[in-house]
Amino acid sequence: QSALTQPPSASGSPGQSVTISCTGTSSDIGGYNYVSWYQQHPGKAPKLMISEVSKRPSGVPDRFSGSKSGNTASLTVSGLQAEDEADYYCSSYAGNNALVFGGGTKLTVL
Amino acid sequence: QVQLVQSGAEVKKPGSSVKVSCKASGGSFSTYTLSWVRQAPGQGLEWMGRIIPVLALTHSAQKFQGRVTITADKSSTTAYMELSSLRSEDTAVYYCARVPIAVDGSWDSYGMDVWGQGTTVTVSS
Repeated sequence: QSALTQPPSASGSPGQSVTISCTGTSSDIGGYNYVSWYQQHPGKAPKLMISEVSKRPSGVPDRFSGSKSGNTASLTVSGLQAEDEADYYCSSYAGNNALVFGGGTKLTVL
Repeated sequence: QVQLVQSGAEVKKPGSSVKVSCKASGGSFSTYTLSWVRQAPGQGLEWMGRIIPVLALTHSAQKFQGRVTITADKSSTTAYMELSSLRSEDTAVYYCARVPIAVDGSWDSYGMDVWGQGTTVTVSS
């Protein structure tokens, strides 16, 4: 159950789009469509942004979208806004009733 | 509105145990699982394990097997996570989080849609 691999940082200017990748293996991301993405602001609990690879919970802006190709999942934030600046974490089902998170990506809005 | 309310901060000595509670309100305890996730200072999220209250079934990450005990009291809709043999590396914020059980009965399909406020556990001599 190794952690999923995310870039430590990403950035973009207001209005731009940014994509954060999350790389795993065929035993987790590649084997199941159970990828979720979380947003976490400093000192706050994480917030679910995407589940089942690409589904947005109620209340999450449609600027946030998710996808998956092979062993890599991606979160795209379009039309960047200042409030999108936060840490983002991916997670995936990893078989044998286990879940695994990525190391997290700090998104900076320039 | 479903809420998860956790117990307060704890300071523990190395080698001791800590038990954190997570009380659910506003929803049926039988329609979701409860996971425990921790975050060490300045670090990322780490899944520790889950309980499926309706089945009294637990799973834990390999890293914590033998050291973590997750239980639930259906009558009070409260889940508990006990971590033993504490060491300084266990200093972290511990969260409980809800995952709805899917219509097909699977418990890993959906994401963690409701989180507790977090409980800070400090391990120090």
